[in-house]
Amino acid sequence: DAGVTQSPTHLIKTRGQQVTLRCSPKSGHDTVSWYQQALGQGPQFIFQYYEEEERQRGNFPDRFSGHQFPNYSSELNVNALLLGDSALYLCASSFYLSGRNSYEQYFGPGTRLTVT
Amino acid sequence: AQTVTQSQPEMSVQEAETVTLSCTYDTSESNYYLFWYKQPPSRQMILVIRQEAYKQQNATENRFSVNFQKAAKSFSLKISDSQLGDTAMYFCAFMKPHNYGQNFVFGPGTRLSVLP
Repeated sequence: DAGVTQSPTHLIKTRGQQVTLRCSPKSGHDTVSWYQQALGQGPQFIFQYYEEEERQRGNFPDRFSGHQFPNYSSELNVNALLLGDSALYLCASSFYLSGRNSYEQYFGPGTRLTVT
Repeated sequence: AQTVTQSQPEMSVQEAETVTLSCTYDTSESNYYLFWYKQPPSRQMILVIRQEAYKQQNATENRFSVNFQKAAKSFSLKISDSQLGDTAMYFCAFMKPHNYGQNFVFGPGTRLSVLP
């Protein structure tokens, strides 16, 4: 049973560029959440996708956008990169089926983004 | 908004000894869940233990147990018979379920070192 996978593992970008990170949820999961984890800090919630729609959003600017595909995989896009966007980006998946909410999230290994 | 506080940035314990990690949270919600996640140097976040707020009985999972004090909004993690593999960052997390998913808030983490 494949867990949550993310690509790429590492990424180096220049200020002002755009980046796309990818996530495939654990088998059987339909909900994907994205987190930003700065060095030495806890993960900060960016947004959550279910049924290809953004359902919840944390306190992040519109430069952060996402997408969920019919196979439940997801992308995180960040435009106009800033030095402060350097962080580990974590994807987590869970399931929501007809009101039977899953109360656990399974995390991927993360993508380390460095902005220079 | 919910907040999660972990007042111990770093802790160490001798192998086979017991250690307790502290966590407090602030919320006006009545229906919520609390979690402890472990993040080893490999950076994959792993669920350690979960507690439902409506349950008075403290959760246990093998060597891991919690002391949940709802009125005090305290949720500490006890690790018994510490092992070298327990060395990791430990994050306390608060989760409020909502339509179509969940909203997780993480604390800043405690770095635990298990010494041989």
